[in-house]
Amino acid sequence: QQQVKQSPQSLIVQKGGISIINCAYENTAFDYFPWYQQFPGKGPALLIAIRPDVSEKKEGRFTISFNKSAKQFSLHIMDSQPGDSATYFCAASKGNNNDMRFGAGTRLTVKP
Amino acid sequence: KAGVTQTPRYLIKTRGQQVTLSCSPISGHRSVSWYQQTPGQGLQFLFEYFSETQRNKGNFPGRFSGRQFSNSRSEMNVSTLELGDSALYLCASSLGVGGPSTGELFFGEGSRLTVL
Repeated sequence: QQQVKQSPQSLIVQKGGISIINCAYENTAFDYFPWYQQFPGKGPALLIAIRPDVSEKKEGRFTISFNKSAKQFSLHIMDSQPGDSATYFCAASKGNNNDMRFGAGTRLTVKP
Repeated sequence: KAGVTQTPRYLIKTRGQQVTLSCSPISGHRSVSWYQQTPGQGLQFLFEYFSETQRNKGNFPGRFSGRQFSNSRSEMNVSTLELGDSALYLCASSLGVGGPSTGELFFGEGSRLTVL
């Protein structure tokens, strides 16, 4: 069953713009929320991650915003670049294991 | 440092056959997880092995099985293949201690299985 819902399914942004991808989760036991980036022909790669005890985490152009009460978190990509064009997955997990529940993915296209 | 290596990268099987996929984790990593990726269902967790023991299992039928060797290399097997088993099978390795929040998951490039 889907425990992490991701939107939008696809996103087109102009170079220099802000890309925003949203995720919502159901299980309040989740305690780790990563975002993965996947290019065609490659496996997913960890982009940035957050734990529920903080509301925001920023790494370079990438920011996670986390709303524990709403059970939602989002990825913001500032100054989007054509090289950011990829599929992005949010995920959630709990405890000391690697059973990660993934969102359905968002295909981001950044137009030059 | 070598990444996660999966073999074979591509394979074609027919219904009813079985298949074995192999994964060599990053040196020093003791946990290997397997995921199935399809356009319809997305990324789904199959199972995780840590120190040769299955630590977690996803919601897949018993036709899907795996094992881990003493050198942390892992194999997964799918028996009696069905058309719906066509997918990209991804292996991910991590240190395995403390969960993903303390040990990043590193994914391989996957084995693409086509069942005819």
